Amino acid sequence: GIQVEQSPPDLILQEGANSTLRCNFSDSVNNLQWFHQNPWGQLINLFYIPSGTKQNGRLSATTVATERYSLLYISSSQTTDSGVYFCAAYGGATNKLIFGTGTLLAVQP
Amino acid sequence: KAGVTQTPRYLIKTRGQQVTLSCSPISGHRSVSWYQQTPGQGLQFLFEYFSETQRNKGNFPGRFSGRQFSNSRSEMNVSTLELGDSALYLCASSRGGIDQETQYFGPGTRLLVL
Repeated sequence: GIQVEQSPPDLILQEGANSTLRCNFSDSVNNLQWFHQNPWGQLINLFYIPSGTKQNGRLSATTVATERYSLLYISSSQTTDSGVYFCAAYGGATNKLIFGTGTLLAVQP
Repeated sequence: KAGVTQTPRYLIKTRGQQVTLSCSPISGHRSVSWYQQTPGQGLQFLFEYFSETQRNKGNFPGRFSGRQFSNSRSEMNVSTLELGDSALYLCASSRGGIDQETQYFGPGTRLLVL
């Protein structure tokens, strides 16, 4: 089935810094999503982005489907951005939504 | 529009018992999927229901089962609980299905098996 890998596994930033999170997937995808899990466990959908580029405030995402990767950009980070960021992919021969292992982001004041 | 709701939010059970978790999707959403999250295995897909039919299933033993009602509410059941079933159980809903569009997640049910 499809494999989803995320990097880096951990990231510590000072408030105001920018960051780029990466998601690699092993097969063509019909569905690629980014989520943020807050410290209470709630998963919030950030982007549905099987291809192309989208922006939402300080966050933007780009998926290059032909090269099988997606990037999540966080600009001017805030302490409330802390948490775990997951990408999830659906595609290939697997009829499941497969999650990566996540990037744990800590933004320090 | 109300979000996805899950009940109960917390649950403590002992080995060998069974448990039923409930998920109410966003109004108008027909797809409900379930996920297990543990520190060791991460987020793993359990199954997806669409219009009362199980459409996709993950690699979990038969002790894990689910169903969906005509109002799209879904329940999952875990029988003969094991210590390793302690986890955060998340459900998500969407209009069309996990292959088509973004998933909206509920707050989860934290299950502790003693």
